[in-house]
Amino acid sequence: AQSVTQPDIHITVSEGASLELRCNYSYGATPYLFWYVQSPGQGLQLLLKYFSGDTLVQGIKGFEAEFKRSQSSFNLRKPSVHWSDAAEYFCAVGASSDYKLSFGAGTTVTVRA
Amino acid sequence: DAGVIQSPRHEVTEMGQEVTLRCKPISGHDYLFWYRQTMMRGLELLIYFNNNVPIDDSGMPEDRFSAKMPNASFSTLKIQPSEPRDSAVYFCASSPGPRRNIQYFGAGTRLSVL
Repeated sequence: AQSVTQPDIHITVSEGASLELRCNYSYGATPYLFWYVQSPGQGLQLLLKYFSGDTLVQGIKGFEAEFKRSQSSFNLRKPSVHWSDAAEYFCAVGASSDYKLSFGAGTTVTVRA
Repeated sequence: DAGVIQSPRHEVTEMGQEVTLRCKPISGHDYLFWYRQTMMRGLELLIYFNNNVPIDDSGMPEDRFSAKMPNASFSTLKIQPSEPRDSAVYFCASSPGPRRNIQYFGAGTRLSVL
């Protein structure tokens, strides 16, 4: 079964600074990979996804992620964060053999002025 | 599109009472998922449906939990009887086939069992 590890529980970043959130997955074949964002009191919103092809994926809100098979990673980046990026971010992995997603524990991002 | 709609947004009930959570998926989506989110266990998949048929309910914690999908536009998750440890945020998500792994989430129902 697939699994996801998000090593950082909480990250604080200054507004305008860059952001990188780490995600490591475990899966025997090529995974489907996702990043979701959850604002307080809201549901999860899909930021970006990777199925195949170009390993650098662009998403909404200026986010991008890079799939590195050799490192089993799918890290999320943003060059310059805005105060509105304060939220919880979830990495998820899915398999081609079923329809389920396995989510990481999440990383909470705080943005300071 | 209105997205996935869940009701109620908040539910407060007393231990032993029956609780019914409701979900309307995005029109045309073939898959529907119910999740539970807690601080201790994170996001857990409870059950999912394909074309209104339950496919995998291995995540349903106990017999007190049941889910139905009587038609393509409506699903319920019922807890009877409820217990304080059921307090959590319950999310419904739907997914279009064949890109079935792309899931769109509702805003969730925050359940508090006193």
